[in-house]
Amino acid sequence: RKEVEQDPGPFNVPEGATVAFNCTYSNSASQSFFWYRQDCRKEPKLLMSVYSSGNEDGRFTAQLNRASQYISLLIRDSKLSDSATYLCVVDGRRQLTFGSGTQLTVLP
Amino acid sequence: SAVISQKPSRDICQRGTSLTIQCQVDSQVTMMFWYRQQPGQSLTLIATANQGSEATYESGFVIDKFPISRPNLTFSTLTVSNMSPEDSSIYLCSVEAGTYGYTFGSGTRLTVV
Repeated sequence: RKEVEQDPGPFNVPEGATVAFNCTYSNSASQSFFWYRQDCRKEPKLLMSVYSSGNEDGRFTAQLNRASQYISLLIRDSKLSDSATYLCVVDGRRQLTFGSGTQLTVLP
Repeated sequence: SAVISQKPSRDICQRGTSLTIQCQVDSQVTMMFWYRQQPGQSLTLIATANQGSEATYESGFVIDKFPISRPNLTFSTLTVSNMSPEDSSIYLCSVEAGTYGYTFGSGTRLTVV
């Protein structure tokens, strides 16, 4: 079993759609959780940290369920510029483990 | 958050040669991390570099193949030695950025021919 597993994707959605990505992790001792965005041929960039209480940043909402070891990312009102690969990242004492990424394409 | 300058951004190298990748951070950081991203794959940690001590390598990566230097708190190098086409990848350095998670260098796209 992979340490961090993500929806395989790819997701192709129309502009304005709502899309949700899921991620599970195996190490219950994991400390911190993140969603990163990686554009083609670019480095990953932090999209948002994920907290148990859930956090929202504009159109993006992230949720963590420690009991189920499950992380989610919801994107509302998708824009063309949201097209990218979204990486679920788990930090276990300063050692990041990356999911394989979910590719999102927002279509006009 | 920290800003990382990584170079070269890309290179095409002959098999059997070595390439050294540099990362310069605009602030002092305790640990620097080196990752590899093979084509179509996610990131895999190669090693963690602490200033003043030997790097800690992950399973599957060895010092002879990927020697790392960390001469001070703002700089590190990763060398890909005796390259083969299988080493063609993107190599990225990273530092912890506090509440901002981790910041990555812009990556080095290596092609071995």
